[in-house]
Amino acid sequence: QSALTQPRSVSGSPGQSVTISCTGTSSDVGGYNYVSWYQQHPGKAPKLMIYDVSKRPSGVPDRFSGSKSGNTASLTISGLQAEDEADYYCCSYAGSRRVFGGGTKLTVL
Amino acid sequence: EVQLVESGGGLVKPGRSLRLSCTASGFTFGDYAMSWFRQAPGKGLEWVGFIRSKAYGGTTEYAASVKGRFTISRDDSKSIAYLQMNSLKTEDTAVYYCTREWFPVGYFDYWGQGTLVTVSS
Repeated sequence: QSALTQPRSVSGSPGQSVTISCTGTSSDVGGYNYVSWYQQHPGKAPKLMIYDVSKRPSGVPDRFSGSKSGNTASLTISGLQAEDEADYYCCSYAGSRRVFGGGTKLTVL
Repeated sequence: EVQLVESGGGLVKPGRSLRLSCTASGFTFGDYAMSWFRQAPGKGLEWVGFIRSKAYGGTTEYAASVKGRFTISRDDSKSIAYLQMNSLKTEDTAVYYCTREWFPVGYFDYWGQGTLVTVSS
């Protein structure tokens, strides 16, 4: 069982928006603004998409945005594109540990 | 260009040991913490542990599932991070990734391609 809880799957049509939630506790997500999100396509290594809850590394489209409220962080992908179909993982700093969510499979219909 | 290349994976029997290497290039290796992750077939990512840079003491932290069996070390002169895995179990079967970490906040901006470890009799 993963430390952070994510929905197993979400889906949306091209052009729509989807939001993936990531629920932790006050010891991780709720206690620090150090939440990151990773995208993983099948057979590939994960890619950092969001850090510091809502910041995007260079090269990540602004269609990807992050937010946090209490113990729950969220990743929103707007203007869905076919290439966004992938697994998404949230991660939170938790002192000497790094805790991950179980992953969410995004299907673009 | 930052590159991380894992090596050392393979088939190993339960109870045996294996050492993975992560060879880095394109950045000042000694300035960064290095982390290891694994992903069992068809499963999600699991953080294994990390080693701090020498500036932060070069100490290590591990997930509970591997603590006492796995050891992470580094050779800054060679830009290599190691994952020594002892007393391997079938449930350790996974693709193992090394990553560069933004310490202390725990962001992983570069990942290797992964190396498969299969623990089976």
